[in-house]
Amino acid sequence: KQEVTQIPAALSVPEGENLVLNCSFTDSAIYNLQWFRQDPGKGLTSLLLIQSSQREQTSGRLNASLDKSSGRSTLYIAASQPGDSATYLCAADSNSGYALNFGKGTSLLVTP
Amino acid sequence: SQTIHQWPATLVQPVGSPLSLECTVEGTSNPNLYWYRQAAGRGLQLLFYSVGIGQISSEVPQNLSASRPQDRQFILSSKKLLLSDSGFYLCAWSRRGSYEQYFGPGTRLTVT
Repeated sequence: KQEVTQIPAALSVPEGENLVLNCSFTDSAIYNLQWFRQDPGKGLTSLLLIQSSQREQTSGRLNASLDKSSGRSTLYIAASQPGDSATYLCAADSNSGYALNFGKGTSLLVTP
Repeated sequence: SQTIHQWPATLVQPVGSPLSLECTVEGTSNPNLYWYRQAAGRGLQLLFYSVGIGQISSEVPQNLSASRPQDRQFILSSKKLLLSDSGFYLCAWSRRGSYEQYFGPGTRLTVT
């Protein structure tokens, strides 16, 4: 079974800093890895999806990388803002491709 | 554009009572549909997924069941709720042939 781990569990940074969130997964035979954002009490917002054939994806200030061989993905947030405060979730799919296996998330707080 | 709806938004039910949560998707046809649960202190867990009307796959044995009576409608049910069924229930969809999943706003269920 695919196990996904996210480090750190919580992170607090001052506004303007660049930061990296880490995600590791146990089974490298994935089709995709997806990063989500979750605000308190809300659903998930898809940020980036990296297909297994890709190495990275970028959207605005966000950049996600994927290294299948080492079972790792990172989400890089440039020039962080207070509005970036949320929980960030990483999810890797299984062999079936349907089930997303989630980490427990990194809770990010960006202080003004 | 596509939208996903879930209701109710919050629900408080006594142990032993029945449950029915509804999810509908607009703006797309033949979506794959998913039910996830997010329990306190735990990651999101896939409960059920469906690739078509009447086609339901269960990922974990539990006190819950799912049905898909229409193409864009997905229902999560229970005949008798347990305390352990409390959590945040999220519905998601993806396009056929794509693994990128989009989530609804969620239903907060508290079993008392």
